[in-house]
Amino acid sequence: DQQVKQNSPSLSVQEGRISILNCDYTNSMFDYFLWYKKYPAEGPTFLISISSIKDKNEDGRFTVFLNKSAKHLSLHIVPSQPGDSAVYFCAASAGNTGFQKLVFGTGTRLLVSP
Amino acid sequence: NAGVTQTPKFQVLKTGQSMTLQCAQDMNHNSMYWYRQDPGMGLRLIYYSASEGTTDKGEVPNGYNVSRLNKREFSLRLESAAPSQTSVYFCASQRQKPGELFFGEGSRLTVL
Repeated sequence: DQQVKQNSPSLSVQEGRISILNCDYTNSMFDYFLWYKKYPAEGPTFLISISSIKDKNEDGRFTVFLNKSAKHLSLHIVPSQPGDSAVYFCAASAGNTGFQKLVFGTGTRLLVSP
Repeated sequence: NAGVTQTPKFQVLKTGQSMTLQCAQDMNHNSMYWYRQDPGMGLRLIYYSASEGTTDKGEVPNGYNVSRLNKREFSLRLESAAPSQTSVYFCASQRQKPGELFFGEGSRLTVL
């Protein structure tokens, strides 16, 4: 039973346009969500996060939106750059105090072409 | 500033052989994790250690054992490797809040 789902395995976008990556979750206890970016032959690196008390968090070109009623979050990248080409994983956790075990989605490969 | 260091980076084993993947972090984090990444499966949790002296099973623990040697080090052992354990393994440590994980570069294991 996959609790965090990324239904699009891949996404292709032109440089300068918006990239929208989507993530759905099933566990209503999740209250903290993160996005990670992974380049080939490297470990994932943290990109941006959002707490369930918010519906939007912005960091430069990256914005994460959370729709709790739909159990859906999305990552917007504006404008997209070729260096953004990577695999993006969303992750979720329950409980915002102390230890948190993250559950990851299957990832979406983003290709930004010049 | 090394962060999370994993060794070895590559390993080829024959079925039935054993090996240990080593992981060390220098960020004084309490929690550490072992994940495996397989095509189409994302990152799946094998074992984790919430703090020094404790370990717990994750989603896919069968065929693996772990040791939290001290606060810095968390090792993953395959006692009798199987082809199904061919994967890329990632170790991670976690900041207490807000829960961000810091990953190592990964260890690519092939079991023939």
